[in-house]
Amino acid sequence: SAVISQKPSRDICQRGTSLTIQCQVDSQVTMMFWYRQQPGQSLTLIATANQGSEATYESGFVIDKFPISRPNLTFSTLTVSNMSPEDSSIYLCSVVGGNRNIQYFGAGTRLSVL
Amino acid sequence: DQQVKQNSPSLSVQEGRISILNCDYTNSMFDYFLWYKKYPAEGPTFLISISSIKDKNEDGRFTVFLNKSAKHLSLHIVPSQPGDSAVYFCAAGGATNKLIFGTGTLLAVQP
Repeated sequence: SAVISQKPSRDICQRGTSLTIQCQVDSQVTMMFWYRQQPGQSLTLIATANQGSEATYESGFVIDKFPISRPNLTFSTLTVSNMSPEDSSIYLCSVVGGNRNIQYFGAGTRLSVL
Repeated sequence: DQQVKQNSPSLSVQEGRISILNCDYTNSMFDYFLWYKKYPAEGPTFLISISSIKDKNEDGRFTVFLNKSAKHLSLHIVPSQPGDSAVYFCAAGGATNKLIFGTGTLLAVQP
């Protein structure tokens, strides 16, 4: 399985500001995903991070709110823009491993918005 | 529309006994199913998976059973250990590699 590093591990932010979360993988991977886990809820897919092209967003998520970059096959960023308390969640990146059906996750970024 | 459901939010089991975690799904197009374990402040850790063409997959203490006609899968942990205490998520995927997660079951294994 790939080793996935996420930064920051946690942050407390003010309403109206933006936070960029980084995801670094120790090997080249084709597919990377960003998920959100709101308090007490399940993991919800935000978008698929595509290398060299715009991310593919799921219903309910838009690029203006969650811009994503994927400059190469080992790195991606997710920005949470113009934050509100409703954005308080754990944000996780994942990658598809050698077995295309298995996703491996980073430790997550715990975000609190005041 | 919750495509993957875990109807038991929590489960308590004695150490050494069997833990059975259940998961139901509605979309018959799912190709494969996975179970993840999650500790607080950590990301989900992959446990075991099963393809839709199989009805059982075993890996050590963990066995996953799939009943396609009932759209139901279960994870059996035998014997249960205190270190197994965590939140368990089932997930389902298809051709796009996107995963749909259940709501999770908190397993507590009592010493």
